[in-house]
Amino acid sequence: DQQVKQNSPSLSVQEGRISILNCDYTNSMFDYFLWYKKYPAEGPTFLISISSIKDKNEDGRFTVFLNKSAKHLSLHIVPSQPGDSAVYFCAASGTGNQFYFGTGTSLTVIP
Amino acid sequence: EAGVAQSPRYKIIEKRQSVAFWCNPISGHATLYWYQQILGQGPKLLIQFQNNGVVDDSQLPKDRFSAERLKGVDSTLKIQPAKLEDSAVYLCASSILGRYGEKLFFGSGTQLSVL
Repeated sequence: DQQVKQNSPSLSVQEGRISILNCDYTNSMFDYFLWYKKYPAEGPTFLISISSIKDKNEDGRFTVFLNKSAKHLSLHIVPSQPGDSAVYFCAASGTGNQFYFGTGTSLTVIP
Repeated sequence: EAGVAQSPRYKIIEKRQSVAFWCNPISGHATLYWYQQILGQGPKLLIQFQNNGVVDDSQLPKDRFSAERLKGVDSTLKIQPAKLEDSAVYLCASSILGRYGEKLFFGSGTQLSVL
């Protein structure tokens, strides 16, 4: 049972434009959400997080939006850079610090 | 600050053989996780430790997988005997409490190929 879903396996964006990566979840008990970035042959690295008490969190070029009623979150990268090309995973957590990951979206930023 | 250390980076074995992976978490991180990531999928939790106690091992195939965390620091994950479907990247992570919740830090993973 996939509790966290990333329905777009891949996304291509021109350098300088906005990248929008989407994530949906099914468990209404999730209250903390994270985005991870993964390069080939490396482990995922933390990018940005958001608590359910907020609907937006921003860190430099990265902004995460949370829509609790729709059980949807998105990651915006502005402006996109070639170095942003990687696989992005969203993750959700409720009580017990158990994290559930989506299947990932492979982002390609075209120079 | 040193990151999460894992070894080996790669391992190739034949089915029915045994294999072990090692993880050293970030110093001071009480919670340690082992994840399995099959190609094209997201990481799936196998087992979660809090210090040297097991918090969640509901998705660990206990007939062939075992894990321990010695003295609440290093951890080993063992598969015996291995099956073809165990081919995956095994990720170790440790966590620390951030501003709003736990933040996971991952090692580079061990890529296992079972032939």
